[in-house]
Amino acid sequence: GQNIDQPTEMTATEGAIVQINCTYQTSGFNGLFWYQQHAGEAPTFLSYNVLDGLEEKGRFSSFLSRSKGYSYLLLKELQMKDSASYLCAVINNNAGNMLTFGGGTRLMVKP
Amino acid sequence: DGGITQSPKYLFRKEGQNVTLSCEQNLNHDAMYWYRQDPGQGLRLIYYSQIVNDFQKGDIAEGYSVSREKKESFPLTVTSAQKNPTAFYLCASSISDGSGGLVNTQYFGPGTRLTVL
Repeated sequence: GQNIDQPTEMTATEGAIVQINCTYQTSGFNGLFWYQQHAGEAPTFLSYNVLDGLEEKGRFSSFLSRSKGYSYLLLKELQMKDSASYLCAVINNNAGNMLTFGGGTRLMVKP
Repeated sequence: DGGITQSPKYLFRKEGQNVTLSCEQNLNHDAMYWYRQDPGQGLRLIYYSQIVNDFQKGDIAEGYSVSREKKESFPLTVTSAQKNPTAFYLCASSISDGSGGLVNTQYFGPGTRLTVL
């Protein structure tokens, strides 16, 4: 089976940096996605990691350690519009390359 | 404009009724997916289709049915057998099923919120 864990909620201040962690246990790991989802809207793609290391894309960066089953999403220079849920999802090539999602982390950015 | 659309945005159903949710994409994607999202929970896979006229059950297929007669369309029917159908339903598509080394980035439609009265 698969198990994906991320914190349920986090709070941070506008302009600050926040790190959202995701740990996973899965056989057949074939990549990890981060999505952003505003309330009542569709998830939108943020990043994809399949190799160890840090992928930077503007204010957002994503890190992966396959040996530790660990990823994080780093958000810099937080803005109020970054208040959303952040979903971690893992590809399992033993399950037809389907995505398995974690429960999501609801981030609240305060002034 | 290329994209993935779902209709309606809000849907109300009486208990015992079947209802069909629409999902259309003009991205020329081969693979399409249906997920269910409940408050405080992650997305759970209901059904997926990797090619026209073929589809597979996901983790929570009971009480649901799908068809894939055209590449662009993947409608989901919520049947009366689904015990707790009130949820947010998301459709997604991807260029492939992830085989052959291609990245299976899924793109989501805006969702349909189904409420059973």
